[in-house]
Amino acid sequence: QVQLQQSGPGLVKPSQTLSLSCAISGDSVSSKSAAWSWIRQSPLRGLEWLGRTYYRSKWFNDYAVSVKSRITVSPDTSKNQFSLQLRSVTPEDTAVYYCARNLQVWGQGTLVTVSS
Amino acid sequence: QSVLTQPPSASGTPGQRVTISCSGSTSNIGRNTVNWYQQLPGTAPKVLIYDNNQRPSGVPDRFSGSKSGTSASLAISGLQSEDEADYYCAAWDDSLTGWVFGGGTKLTVL
Repeated sequence: QVQLQQSGPGLVKPSQTLSLSCAISGDSVSSKSAAWSWIRQSPLRGLEWLGRTYYRSKWFNDYAVSVKSRITVSPDTSKNQFSLQLRSVTPEDTAVYYCARNLQVWGQGTLVTVSS
Repeated sequence: QSVLTQPPSASGTPGQRVTISCSGSTSNIGRNTVNWYQQLPGTAPKVLIYDNNQRPSGVPDRFSGSKSGTSASLAISGLQSEDEADYYCAAWDDSLTGWVFGGGTKLTVL
């Protein structure tokens, strides 16, 4: 049974970088049948998919247009996890952030507040 | 404004059957499969249906999904009080190269 455990700070200052990690148990980040995504949810934007990484003999990424210039989703094979980096954050990036496998198994969520 | 369109609310009495619709376009629902999620307050979305009509183990068969053209539906039969939650649809969008969601439907059990 695949489980995802998120970690990272709940408070980030404006203009800084939001960084979250998602530890995987019950599967491998290098699985050729999985794609590892980050999604966020806020009252203003609803559920918003941000990006994903996946391995198909090499690593691929897809990113949402809305954050494409500021986002990196990357795997860490040594720790069997993947991470989100969102740069130059503003208060509009305040949301609950989720990681997910194939958008079927979700992490517990992390409330990230962008405030000075 | 969400790419997929859902009614903001739905309601039913215990034992009734309710359906929730999700309307998209040829670039998302028209070409790709649909997932449905249930979200209880303060918790992460939980997948109820994937690949249009497949139920993960542990999801009661009261929940069913269907798709036709650029629309999809979630049906809940034998409505129970614990079904009161927010429901979301999602699909991959080939034009946007990303997942898109509906705005959510708040289900009230009267």
